[in-house]
Amino acid sequence: EAQVTQNPRYLITVTGKKLTVTCSQNMNHEYMSWYRQDPGLGLRQIYYSMNVEVTDKGDVPEGYKVSRKEKRNFPLILESPSPNQTSLYFCASSIRQGKGMNTEAFFGQGTRLTVV
Amino acid sequence: AQSVTQPDIHITVSEGASLELRCNYSYGATPYLFWYVQSPGQGLQLLLKYFSGDTLVQGIKGFEAEFKRSQSSFNLRKPSVHWSDAAEYFCAVGAPGNTPLVFGKGTRLSVIA
Repeated sequence: EAQVTQNPRYLITVTGKKLTVTCSQNMNHEYMSWYRQDPGLGLRQIYYSMNVEVTDKGDVPEGYKVSRKEKRNFPLILESPSPNQTSLYFCASSIRQGKGMNTEAFFGQGTRLTVV
Repeated sequence: AQSVTQPDIHITVSEGASLELRCNYSYGATPYLFWYVQSPGQGLQLLLKYFSGDTLVQGIKGFEAEFKRSQSSFNLRKPSVHWSDAAEYFCAVGAPGNTPLVFGKGTRLSVIA
């Protein structure tokens, strides 16, 4: 089954304790992205990756890191989490089709992170 | 840069009534357009998409959307809403170059009896 898998689904952590949210896709997609979703703000892109070893900042990259060592995996790293990073996080992957534009994104189930 | 506007933050409709959710985009050429639905506690699911051709596209769950280039719009419609349609709906536009999709802020749909 084609899917994007995020882990964990729920996470409560303390300020400053490094954490990693994993994301894996089995569709051989080139593009992967991380979004955070906050009430009234919709989905905001954190980082994206065009392919292995190619990553770039989205709209709200501060406080986050990513890596893309393999095509299928795109972990999100919070080196020193703070309470303002409490949010719902989504990983997504997509293929590219014509004119360089991306086709539809496939989303993971989300990770609800609480930083206390 | 491309952008998407969903003018309605929250809409309430009665079960069985028709529905239209608005989406306006800003992009210089013909975009790729999408509607996603997010049920409570779930990820985003693709409802329908427009790439080219017929401007009226059919999606899952009885939804359809119409691309109107002159109005830069891609409104989502359903003739008869069911209680299970209560969710948040996101419009998205395919961006040029190597950037992924750009999403609107979403419209929350409530369905009352």
